[in-house]
Amino acid sequence: GAGVSQSPSNKVTEKGKDVELRCDPISGHTALYWYRQSLGQGLEFLIYFQGNSAPDKSGLPSDRFSAERTGGSVSTLTIQRTQQEDSAVYLCASRPRRGVTGELFFGEGSRLTVL
Amino acid sequence: AQKVTQAQTEISVVEKEDVTLDCVYETRDTTYYLFWYKQPPSGELVFLIRRNSFDEQNEISGRYSWNFQKSTSSFNFTITASQVVDSAVYFCALSQEEGAQKLVFGQGTRLTINP
Repeated sequence: GAGVSQSPSNKVTEKGKDVELRCDPISGHTALYWYRQSLGQGLEFLIYFQGNSAPDKSGLPSDRFSAERTGGSVSTLTIQRTQQEDSAVYLCASRPRRGVTGELFFGEGSRLTVL
Repeated sequence: AQKVTQAQTEISVVEKEDVTLDCVYETRDTTYYLFWYKQPPSGELVFLIRRNSFDEQNEISGRYSWNFQKSTSSFNFTITASQVVDSAVYFCALSQEEGAQKLVFGQGTRLTINP
């Protein structure tokens, strides 16, 4: 498919476990974003990657959250020692470097449930 | 700090009615960008429009129109002759950067169009 692909689409885990969420951006898109959508907090920015520049991690809520982007393409968001408040839909988006409209292309999200 | 307020949590109308979704924003920046995104049941956010702070011209795209008023810090979205396929959650968002590196989203308005 040509869109942003995220996996898993659903993840149920126990409190205290680590989880990894994967994002495959649209081919050729240089910018990649992670957002979180939860009932209590709405849509929140987490982290932003642009090419080879250092990522903007200013939205990560705690040091239990980390993300990497390998080879300028696939990204993995890791949450360590999950807590119940981490339950949310994690959305990934990508954008071409020279996007005219500033449009972000979003995936369908990974729904995380922490029991 | 930037903030976006969508006071209407849910709206329900009958098909073919016109409906306006309100968006009020707060920012101290003189240059900023406003966005609307649609989130259908599948979950991915779909870009609808971006507006620059220095361009107050209203925009029309088919049945969709947007009214940007800096004097009232509002960027309202109207759907004319609504259709069932318009049912979705709509988000208004604000960014300091043209590339929408960090979007600040409103809480969203759930729009239901009844046949």
